[in-house]
Amino acid sequence: GDSVTQMEGPVTLSEEAFLTINCTYTATGYPSLFWYVQYPGEGLQLLLKATKADDKGSNKGFEATYRKETTSFHLEKGSVQVSDSAVYFCAPYTGGFKTIFGAGTRLFVKA
Amino acid sequence: EAGVTQFPSHSVIEKGQTVTLRCDPISGHDNLYWYRRVMGKEIKFLLHFVKESKQDESGMPNNRFLAERTGGTYSTLKVQPAELEDSGVYFCASSPLGVNYNEQFFGPGTRLTVL
Repeated sequence: GDSVTQMEGPVTLSEEAFLTINCTYTATGYPSLFWYVQYPGEGLQLLLKATKADDKGSNKGFEATYRKETTSFHLEKGSVQVSDSAVYFCAPYTGGFKTIFGAGTRLFVKA
Repeated sequence: EAGVTQFPSHSVIEKGQTVTLRCDPISGHDNLYWYRRVMGKEIKFLLHFVKESKQDESGMPNNRFLAERTGGTYSTLKVQPAELEDSGVYFCASSPLGVNYNEQFFGPGTRLTVL
């Protein structure tokens, strides 16, 4: 069945450090790929998306590239800030017209 | 433009009681989804409406759960009778038909605690 494997957290970084959160998936059809973020006390927000192979989604300094050959969609940011502390979810939207979620990766950024 | 809203934000009930959760999607969004996250586990799909029709309810855990979307606007999710394992956060999401059908906007969730 469809599934997502996301690196386990928590991830603790110092401000201005480089961030990578790995994500691989198995999904029916040709999924669109999303990263969602949940800040403390808030709901899920769309962070970025990519809809076809080799597309790069980007937003707020975060980037992820749709790698069809490796079924991956790793999230990166060159310089994290304290305000980036949140839980990040890798989330393909599958051919079954539903989103499947990774377990979420909690990120702590220290000043 | 108002986002997806959910009511209540929190609900604490006893085992065996009934609870009804409500979701108001973004105006004009014909796709409406319910998901839930039980403690320590992934967010899981429950069901998908297109307008008032259930498109896919393969994620509904059992027949104690009933979702409706009369008139194709807001949706309710009723749990009757509630069990301890139903505790978790229930999320609603909506999206338009057409090009951006897969770009879902999520509500803040309803935290359900069954004692």
